[in-house]
Amino acid sequence: NAGVMQNPRHLVRRRGQEARLRCSPMKGHSHVYWYRQLPEEGLKFMVYLQKENIIDESGMPKERFSAEFPKEGPSILRIQQVVRGDSAAYFCASSPGLGGERQETQYFGPGTRLLVL
Amino acid sequence: DAKTTQPNSMESNEEEPVHLPCNHSTISGTDYIHWYRQLPSQGPEYVIHGLTSNVNNRMASLAIAEDRKSSTLILHRATLRDAAVYYCILRRAGSARQLTFGSGTQLTVLP
Repeated sequence: NAGVMQNPRHLVRRRGQEARLRCSPMKGHSHVYWYRQLPEEGLKFMVYLQKENIIDESGMPKERFSAEFPKEGPSILRIQQVVRGDSAAYFCASSPGLGGERQETQYFGPGTRLLVL
Repeated sequence: DAKTTQPNSMESNEEEPVHLPCNHSTISGTDYIHWYRQLPSQGPEYVIHGLTSNVNNRMASLAIAEDRKSSTLILHRATLRDAAVYYCILRRAGSARQLTFGSGTQLTVLP
């Protein structure tokens, strides 16, 4: 059973360009989370999605950032008009989405390291 | 979610036990205690979680104080591959699903 896959693993963009980060959750998982880790800082939650729905985007910057998790295909985190401050490691995690009160484990991908020049 | 406090760093010798403490004095009755770790240049990895009773799995043990205001992650025999940042996270049952990471404890394992 393949784990959470993210691509690309490394992405270099110039200021003003767009960055698209992809995340394929573990097989059978319907919940996806995106986290960002700025250099020398801890991980910060960005957005939580279920298939075709954004459940919680309280950690997303209000502008330039968007996320989707379509019915088919990977989850996409999109950053428009990137700035140097967007340079960070972006991690995706998935969980089964069993519902109820269960304390589900989140399984993380290897991350995408974005460098904005 | 309630706040946790962990030492910034700890050292251990290889093949010796390691006790990583976590204080959570404002924990509520429905807060679960989770531990994740992040190896260098990798994504976080689940280690263990518990509510009231001590827990064991193949990776570690979790000892929870009787008043639940603190807990300890125990690695029984540290290896060089256990060098990582260890995060203690509280998650309230039925609350938002995302994890709230603090600064964690950087564990260095000495050969």
